[in-house]
Amino acid sequence: NAGVTQTPKFRILKIGQSMTLQCTQDMNHNYMYWYRQDPGMGLKLIYYSVGAGITDKGEVPNGYNVSRSTTEDFPLRLELAAPSQTSVYFCASGTGDANTEAFFGQGTRLTVV
Amino acid sequence: GQNIDQPTEMTATEGAIVQINCTYQTSGFNGLFWYQQHAGEAPTFLSYNVLDGLEEKGRFSSFLSRSKGYSYLLLKELQMKDSASYLCAVRSSRGSYIPTFGRGTSLIVHP
Repeated sequence: NAGVTQTPKFRILKIGQSMTLQCTQDMNHNYMYWYRQDPGMGLKLIYYSVGAGITDKGEVPNGYNVSRSTTEDFPLRLELAAPSQTSVYFCASGTGDANTEAFFGQGTRLTVV
Repeated sequence: GQNIDQPTEMTATEGAIVQINCTYQTSGFNGLFWYQQHAGEAPTFLSYNVLDGLEEKGRFSSFLSRSKGYSYLLLKELQMKDSASYLCAVRSSRGSYIPTFGRGTSLIVHP
C-alpha cells in the first residue's frame, strides 16, 4: 500500500512563480488535509476537504488554492509564490471517524527565493 | 478557537522515563492525538484519547483529563531512537473535527 503520496519532495521557486503540489491517497479516505510546518512550529492547516467536490479553508489559506475532483487526489496550488511560503508542506488523509488518526505523506520542502 | 500548549524542548537519559505535557483550551472537545515526528520525516500516529484516563501501548502511555484540559505522553525505557518531536493535536466539533496541532515538543535522548 502506498498510503499518501506527495510530489515533488523538494522544489525551489522564484518569487511570483506558480506551482501545484500533488497529493494522492489510495486508502479511500474521505477527509484530506494540507498543512504547512515552519521551523520550530507545529502544523498549521491550510485547506481541508471532507469529500470529493467539497473544500474549505483552514487557519492559513491566503495564497493557496485547492480542488478535490476525485476521492484520491487533493492538489494544492500556489499562484504567486512569496518568500513567506517557504515551508514544508504535508498532505494527510483520514476517515474522519472519531477514533481514527490522520495518515501523512512524506512532505514537500518548498523554498521561494 | 483552540489554544494548545506544550514545552518546546526536553532532554532525558537513555533508559529513563519522560513525561511530555499538553494543555489545551477548546469548545466541543472530540479527542486528543499524540504524533511522533523524526527530523525531516512525516508525523506518525502514537495514541488517541477521548475519555479520561490512561491508555497504554507498549513503552508509550497517554493520559487525558478533560475537566483540566490536560494530557501527557509518558515514554518509558527511553531509547536513542525516541529522540524526535512529539506533537499534541486536538479535535473539536467546532473545527469540523479537523485536528489542530500544538507546536510540538522536541525530545533529546542522550546516553
